[in-house]
Amino acid sequence: KAGVTQTPRYLIKTRGQQVTLSCSPISGHRSVSWYQQTPGQGLQFLFEYFSETQRNKGNFPGRFSGRQFSNSRSEMNVSTLELGDSALYLCASSPLPAGSNEKLFFGSGTQLSVL
Amino acid sequence: SQELEQSPQSLIVQEGKNLTINCTSSKTLYGLYWYKQKYGEGLIFLMMLQKGGEEKSHEKITAKLDEKKQQSSLHITASQPSHAGIYLCGADRGYSTLTFGKGTMLLVSP
Repeated sequence: KAGVTQTPRYLIKTRGQQVTLSCSPISGHRSVSWYQQTPGQGLQFLFEYFSETQRNKGNFPGRFSGRQFSNSRSEMNVSTLELGDSALYLCASSPLPAGSNEKLFFGSGTQLSVL
Repeated sequence: SQELEQSPQSLIVQEGKNLTINCTSSKTLYGLYWYKQKYGEGLIFLMMLQKGGEEKSHEKITAKLDEKKQQSSLHITASQPSHAGIYLCGADRGYSTLTFGKGTMLLVSP
């Protein structure tokens, strides 16, 4: 079974641009969540989607948005990039529906550098 | 302040030595996850603990959950170079969401 796939693996952008990251969950997993990891703040939760609905959102500005498609694939978008958005963005999928939890399966991440 | 505090922040141990990493939560723990990460890569699931007093082992890694103290510990016996990496604890916060500690970087010297 293929794991969580994130594309692209590396990305370089300049301030003010926007970026879209993609995540394909493990087949059959309907929940997808996104995390931002930086050396200073560590791993921080961005948002979580289940069946195309955002169920949970972290404390990030509105420049960060996401969506989930009917095939459970997810994208996240960051508009008007700032230097501080440079980070490793991790996607995770989960096989369970609402109200229960089990281990999250993480992708290898997209390393975003904003110049 | 951080919801999950990990200690130590970093650790260098000699190969073959034992070590312990701690994770303390400022909120009630309903489930505690341990992950390992190689720098710049994704997280690899190690163990999940749900009940107070629960202890799980996988190869040379043992994790315990003390619900009353809202703490978990990860113990590695006879460390090897393959154990090097960043260890992260994550607390279950519902809706398939975890809140993570900042991680403990482990280096194993030969």
